[in-house]
Amino acid sequence: EVQVLESGGGLVQPGESLRLSCAASGFTFSNYPMSWVRQAPGKGLDWVSAITGSGVRYYAESVKGRFTTSRDNSRNTVYLQMDSLRVDDTAIYYCAKETPDGVAAVWGQGTLVTVSS
Amino acid sequence: EIVMTQSPVTLSVSPGGRATLSCRASQSISTNLAWYQQKPGQAPRLLIYGASTRATGIPARFVGSGSGTEFTLSISSLQSEDSAVYFCQQFKGWHFGQGTRLEIK
Repeated sequence: EVQVLESGGGLVQPGESLRLSCAASGFTFSNYPMSWVRQAPGKGLDWVSAITGSGVRYYAESVKGRFTTSRDNSRNTVYLQMDSLRVDDTAIYYCAKETPDGVAAVWGQGTLVTVSS
Repeated sequence: EIVMTQSPVTLSVSPGGRATLSCRASQSISTNLAWYQQKPGQAPRLLIYGASTRATGIPARFVGSGSGTEFTLSISSLQSEDSAVYFCQQFKGWHFGQGTRLEIK
């Protein structure tokens, strides 16, 4: 069964950093792009970042320069390093396995990031 | 940047009825459109990709159509379990619509 499982969320203060992890299983991880999508409380879906199987990265303008996506194909894990966090980064962060076309085919259950003083 | 606009914001339909959800792109996206369903407290789930192809395990009563800038998700024989928020997405550029809340009552 294809699964992705996020971890690493928590409560941090503005300006601090946090690293999320997403562990994948049930498929050949290195062959697929992965993405991060967030959802602020009561709001819609907001794409954050994506990374191809070979490591090419894409970012939303709102996080460019602050967030860094990486992957370790030997560990079947993708990471989201979040620096200079702001209150408006508060959200559930979802990891998703994409198809080669960029469709978010399989989603994790999400991990909550709260940025508050 | 392509903007995805969904309508209506909220839709209320009786059980057994039919719901029609719309999604409009600010410029042509061919058939690079996906639909997702999100129930309260759950992660989104892929329903439709390529504008009209159902994902694995999605019932035939979920039908996607459209191309270019106008897209539709039709759900027939509505059941209480279909109550959810439905999002469209232009997946080549990762742009999501704001969602349509479907209520079955």
